[in-house]
Amino acid sequence: KAGVTQTPRYLIKTRGQQVTLSCSPISGHRSVSWYQQTPGQGLQFLFEYFSETQRNKGNFPGRFSGRQFSNSRSEMNVSTLELGDSALYLCASSDLDTQYFGPGTRLTVL
Amino acid sequence: AQRVTQPEKLLSVFKGAPVELKCNYSYSGSPELFWYVQYSRQRLQLLLRHISRESIKGFTADLNKGETSFHLKKPFAQEEDSAMYYCALRGYGGATNKLIFGTGTLLAVQP
Repeated sequence: KAGVTQTPRYLIKTRGQQVTLSCSPISGHRSVSWYQQTPGQGLQFLFEYFSETQRNKGNFPGRFSGRQFSNSRSEMNVSTLELGDSALYLCASSDLDTQYFGPGTRLTVL
Repeated sequence: AQRVTQPEKLLSVFKGAPVELKCNYSYSGSPELFWYVQYSRQRLQLLLRHISRESIKGFTADLNKGETSFHLKKPFAQEEDSAMYYCALRGYGGATNKLIFGTGTLLAVQP
């Protein structure tokens, strides 16, 4: 099976803009989770979707949002970007109990 | 509070030496514990989980509920073990895949 894919791989935005990141899970996986990875905070959970419903949410401001489509593909959106949003955003899809991570999208906010 | 602590940012050992990467956790309940590894320029991948109690690439980890620890061990380090290692926790039995990660330990195996 093909692994988790994320697009785009790199993004450069300026403060105040918004951005949409995409994640395609492994075929058959219905759960998709998003994480933010930064040198200072490490890996932090953003949210999880299962069958198009948000099942869990981390401690991030409302500027961070996401959704999942009927084919299990997921998107996350960050509005009104801040410099501190610069990070690697990882998506993971899950079968019953194992998470498989994508390569990440590197977001740089200038 | 749910927390995973990895006290060492960097662990440097020589090839053939034993390795122990420390992980302590705080969780009110029965957690599932995992070790993930990220090799250079590769994606994060599962190394092992406490439930399976298996040895992967010579690594083992035992869950010690009394000490709330899940240390990763290998008797003889290899250069190809050099990577970033993350300990992670998930609530057991809950309807969620949310993982709480430690800050990671960079293992550098010197020749």
